[in-house]
Amino acid sequence: DQQVKQNSPSLSVQEGRISILNCDYTNSMFDYFLWYKKYPAEGPTFLISISSIKDKNEDGRFTVFLNKSAKHLSLHIVPSQPGDSAVYFCAASEASTEEKLTFGTGTRLTIIP
Amino acid sequence: DAGITQSPRHKVTETGTPVTLRCHQTENHRYMYWYRQDPGHGLRLIHYSYGVKDTDKGEVSDGYSVSRSKTEDFLLTLESATSSQTSVYFCAISDAGLAETQYFGPGTRLLVL
Repeated sequence: DQQVKQNSPSLSVQEGRISILNCDYTNSMFDYFLWYKKYPAEGPTFLISISSIKDKNEDGRFTVFLNKSAKHLSLHIVPSQPGDSAVYFCAASEASTEEKLTFGTGTRLTIIP
Repeated sequence: DAGITQSPRHKVTETGTPVTLRCHQTENHRYMYWYRQDPGHGLRLIHYSYGVKDTDKGEVSDGYSVSRSKTEDFLLTLESATSSQTSVYFCAISDAGLAETQYFGPGTRLLVL
């Protein structure tokens, strides 16, 4: 039972354009959401997060949007750069078990120069 | 980068043999985690530790055991490896159990023949 879903296994975007990665969740107890980025042969690295009390969080070129009613979050990268090519995982945690993360299946983003 | 190392980085073993993976940290973080990454499943939590000798099960703990006798080391043991345990294993650490502060190691690629 996949509680966090990333329905697009892959995405290709032209350099300089906006990349939008999507994530859906089913567990209404999730209240903290994160995006991790992973390059080949490396561990995931934290990118950006959002609490359920917010609907938007921005950090430079990266913005995460949360729609609690739809149980949907998205990561926007603008402008996209070749170094953004990686696998992106969304993850979620509950307040009661904040030390445990539930990850999505990942989306491979390829930025085309 | 957080000081996390995993050993071995690659291992090939046969079905039925015991295997131990080691995670070593130099950050003195309280929490340590073991995940596995598989296509179509993303990252799934196997076991985690919230202190020396304190461990708990994650989402996919069957067939795995862990031990933490020192703050810096967290061992993952496959008592009798099976082909379904072929995967990439990641260790992560966290200093406060807060999701965004999980730092991942470089991973161990395990092939069970």
